[in-house]
Amino acid sequence: VLTQSPGTLSLSPGERATLSCRASQSVSSNYLAWYQQKPGQAPRLLMYAASTRATGTPDRFSGSGSETDFTLTITRLEPEDFAVYYCQQYDTSPFTFGPGTKVDIK
Amino acid sequence: EVQLLESGGGLVQPGGSLRLSCAASGFTFNRHGMTWVRQAPGKGLEWVSSISASGGRTYFTDSLKGRFTISRDNSKNTLFLQLNSLRAEDTATYYCAKNNIRDDYRNDYWGQGTLVTVSS
Repeated sequence: VLTQSPGTLSLSPGERATLSCRASQSVSSNYLAWYQQKPGQAPRLLMYAASTRATGTPDRFSGSGSETDFTLTITRLEPEDFAVYYCQQYDTSPFTFGPGTKVDIK
Repeated sequence: EVQLLESGGGLVQPGGSLRLSCAASGFTFNRHGMTWVRQAPGKGLEWVSSISASGGRTYFTDSLKGRFTISRDNSKNTLFLQLNSLRAEDTATYYCAKNNIRDDYRNDYWGQGTLVTVSS
């Protein structure tokens, strides 16, 4: 089971966002991914292996963590970053998603 | 360019069946695992099922085992999801996603989804 906190993060453009994802069991090989989803769109892979940016992910996004505690950080929020973010473990089936963190404009 | 195009969604009565398809292009289909993810209206993402590159291994979320079946036709670059005994709670947008090679089931590309509505 993956839990994400906070459920909603209200911030202003230019601020720093810190999103947490906690696993009930250790995630081997750091097989933890982060996805971004905007309204009406399919999700997009942002980060994989906990800390590796996917193709096209800006460097203001960074991932960290290991075993059961993972973090996605957005250093300076741009208008296009306001969205819902999901973590997913793809280490062991079932490849569960967290419930998501919504980052909205304050 | 990787493209994934889902089809087969629609309105179905409770207890009915549907077969979803995902036509893939832009990559070597038979080298990649594939996954179905669904999203109920206004809700989060739910992993449904994955299948290995060869089709020899399949993975399911326990709550759907027995009603849903994943398969693939590597000669036609197409992924399938057979949905049986549908319930109202299966109403969702169903996305197919391409996985990385070997046993790395990260979802690196997604289709736009197909909507399944279960209602009488």
